[in-house]
Formats: sequence, C-alpha cells, structure tokens
Amino acid sequence: AQKITQTQPGMFVQEKEAVTLDCTYDTSDPSYGLFWYKQPSSGEMIFLIYQGSYDQQNATEGRYSLNFQKARKSANLVISASQLGDSAMYFCAMREVHTGANSKLTFGKGITLSVRP
Amino acid sequence: NAGVMQNPRHLVRRRGQEARLRCSPMKGHSHVYWYRQLPEEGLKFMVYLQKENIIDESGMPKERFSAEFPKEGPSILRIQQVVRGDSAAYFCASSPTGDLNEKLFFGSGTQLSVL
Repeated sequence: AQKITQTQPGMFVQEKEAVTLDCTYDTSDPSYGLFWYKQPSSGEMIFLIYQGSYDQQNATEGRYSLNFQKARKSANLVISASQLGDSAMYFCAMREVHTGANSKLTFGKGITLSVRP
Repeated sequence: NAGVMQNPRHLVRRRGQEARLRCSPMKGHSHVYWYRQLPEEGLKFMVYLQKENIIDESGMPKERFSAEFPKEGPSILRIQQVVRGDSAAYFCASSPTGDLNEKLFFGSGTQLSVL
C-alpha cells in the first residue's frame, strides 16, 4: 500500500484565491511527521510546512496552512491568496518514528498547481 | 551559510560508463540522504548516511550503485556501468540530526542523462 497518496490531477486556481491540495497517508506508527515541499520548474525542493502527529493545532506558515485530520489520515495543504509564483509541483511527505527507518522521508507523487492571472 | 551543494548540475554519460554525483551538506549537518526522481514522479528514497556510516540503504539497487560519506569531503553517489534507465534527477538532502520534526534541506539536484 502506498504510504502517501496524492491523487488530484493538475490543479488550477485563480490568482488571489485559495486552493487546497489533498494528501492522505497510511501508517500504523503513532508517532510521525508530515511535510509539504514545493518544487518549481527550476527543480529545487523547497520546504513549506510541517505537522507532527501529536500537534494539537494545525500548522501554519504565512500563506500556508495544513488541514490535519488525524482520524481520516489526511493532511491537506491550503494556500491562501495564491500568487503566480505558487505555480509548481507540490509534494506531501511523511516521516515515521518506530518503523526502524525514522529518518527518511517518504514522498507522494505530487500535484501540479497552476495559478492563472 | 551555504545550502546543500550538489555537482555537477547536469551529467551526461554513455551506457557502460560510471557516474559520480557529489553532495556537500549544509555546514553542521552530519546526516545525508539521497533520493531519485523520475519524470512526473515523486522522490524515491535511496540511501541515508551519517559520517562514514551507511544507516539505511533499503532504497538502493543491489548492483552498480554505491554511496559513501567520508570523514572529510562530500558524499558521493556512484553508479557503475550506467544504463538508460538510470536517467533521472538525483537529489541530496541533509539535516543536523535525524529527529522526527526536522526538515530535510535539499540541494538543486543532478540531472543524469544516459545516452
């Protein structure tokens, strides 16, 4: 079974509007961390936001927020006030603690976001 | 404070040649990770190293691929006798520790093309 699932096809959003990028995950580990990274066309991977499994509140970082629903095992990224520079691939990733590989990140396949002017 | 440095940025090899990809982690980071990305795919974990030690190589192909992170110098991902299927972007990442909530800092990647 896939650890991280990102099934949305290419997403489009109008500039200045909000958009939600979906991510579901699969783990039996009670302790884990969830990350979102952005990959623009230039190729580098840019960290956006982190959510720990025991965090009581949803993470926020500027225009990025994470809609964390633990029971549903979803960690959707919300981008508010979209900008043209937000056009990129977005990857959800997870780090588990007790599986014996507590340091590596497991990535989803990504979602392409295009922001329209 | 320089970020994670990877070189070369682009590498072209003919089938059967060797490819050596270099990664200098961020200053103070002793944990290095290598990932491979195929077109339209996410990053696939290959290997995790700390100084002079391979911690987890569960994502490394059993043959032709090797990695090292010596006491001095950059981490090296080595691919012997490359084949066309090795063509991909190879990313290196580093972190100061392996803590759960610690983000990985990525380099810009090396795009390997096998002719």
